[in-house]
Amino acid sequence: GNSVTQMEGPVTLSEEAFLTINCTYTATGYPSLFWYVQYPGEGLQLLLKATKADDKGSNKGFEATYRKETTSFHLEKGSVQVSDSAVYFCALSGGYGQNFVFGPGTRLSVLP
Amino acid sequence: DAGVIQSPRHEVTEMGQEVTLRCKPISGHNSLFWYRQTMMRGLELLIYFNNNVPIDDSGMPEDRFSAKMPNASFSTLKIQPSEPRDSAVYFCASSPGTGWGETQYFGPGTRLLVL
Repeated sequence: GNSVTQMEGPVTLSEEAFLTINCTYTATGYPSLFWYVQYPGEGLQLLLKATKADDKGSNKGFEATYRKETTSFHLEKGSVQVSDSAVYFCALSGGYGQNFVFGPGTRLSVLP
Repeated sequence: DAGVIQSPRHEVTEMGQEVTLRCKPISGHNSLFWYRQTMMRGLELLIYFNNNVPIDDSGMPEDRFSAKMPNASFSTLKIQPSEPRDSAVYFCASSPGTGWGETQYFGPGTRLLVL
């Protein structure tokens, strides 16, 4: 079945540092790929998505590129802020009948 | 527009009691998902409805769990009898169409503690 592997956290960075959170996937066909973010005490919310190979999703300074050749969808941000402290989930969803899978989440803490 | 609404936000109950969690999806969305989140197991999909019909309930842990969607604007997840290992945050999410490949919109969750 489909699966998502995500780098283990927690990740602690200083403000304005560069962020990379690795995500690789296993899936049949051509799934859509997502990054969700969860702030303390809240539900998950979509951060960005990509629906086909070589697509780049971007939002709030975060970016991720759908790499089919390496089955990866790494999340990057050039300069993190304290307000980016949250848990980040990589996820995929295949075509009809294929399950929606979330990675285990990576906790990010940004220090001032 | 209102997002996904869940109630109650917090629930504390004793082992053996029945627990009912409620969800109102975003108006016009055709798919609804129930998830459970724990530190040990992460985010698990319990059940998925499309047009009020259960499509995939393979994630429902056991017979103590049941879910219904009597109409397009309401769903329940019931645990009877509850056990301490059911303590978790339960999320409801909805999406516009079939669900697959689509963005899911999550509610704020219900924090359940079974003593």
